[in-house]
Amino acid sequence: GIQVEQSPPDLILQEGANSTLRCNFSDSVNNLQWFHQNPWGQLINLFYIPSGTKQNGRLSATTVATERYSLLYISSSQTTDSGVYFCAVERWAGTASKLTFGTGTRLQVTL
Amino acid sequence: EPEVTQTPSHQVTQMGQEVILRCVPISNHLYFYWYRQILGQKVEFLVSFYNNEISEKSEIFDDQFSVERPDGSNFTLKIRSTKLEDSAMYFCASSGITGELFFGEGSRLTVL
Repeated sequence: GIQVEQSPPDLILQEGANSTLRCNFSDSVNNLQWFHQNPWGQLINLFYIPSGTKQNGRLSATTVATERYSLLYISSSQTTDSGVYFCAVERWAGTASKLTFGTGTRLQVTL
Repeated sequence: EPEVTQTPSHQVTQMGQEVILRCVPISNHLYFYWYRQILGQKVEFLVSFYNNEISEKSEIFDDQFSVERPDGSNFTLKIRSTKLEDSAMYFCASSGITGELFFGEGSRLTVL
């Protein structure tokens, strides 16, 4: 199956700092999503981004499908950004999506 | 904004007992899923469901698991005889024609 690697595995930032999280995948995909898992365990949709660039407030994401990677940018980080960030991909949709998740990047934002 | 809702948020059960986890997907979605996350690990696919039947299932989804859409709104995951290793967070998700998945808040299952 498709392999999804995320880096770095852990990241500690001071409030206000910027960061870039990376997701590499081993095969071509037609679906890629970024999620934030908050400290309560909830999975929050951040981006649906199989290709191109999107921005939502302080967050933006870029997927370069031909080179099999995606980047999540967090600017001016806040303590509420803490949690685990997952990248998830799907190689073929068929009749229903089956996302393969990466192992995540655990982010801690300190005051 | 439409959302996927799950109940219960937390369930504690004894080993060997049956458990049913419930989900209400987003109303105009046609594809439904269950995922599982063991504490500290990544999220794993269990099963997808479309047109009242299973589309795909993982190796984890053995004979102890079943899914059902008993009416027009609910989507359930049943574990027939729970084992200690079934302790995990179970996420329901749904998607429409775009393929973007939306997840519920999860049901934490603790098997003692």
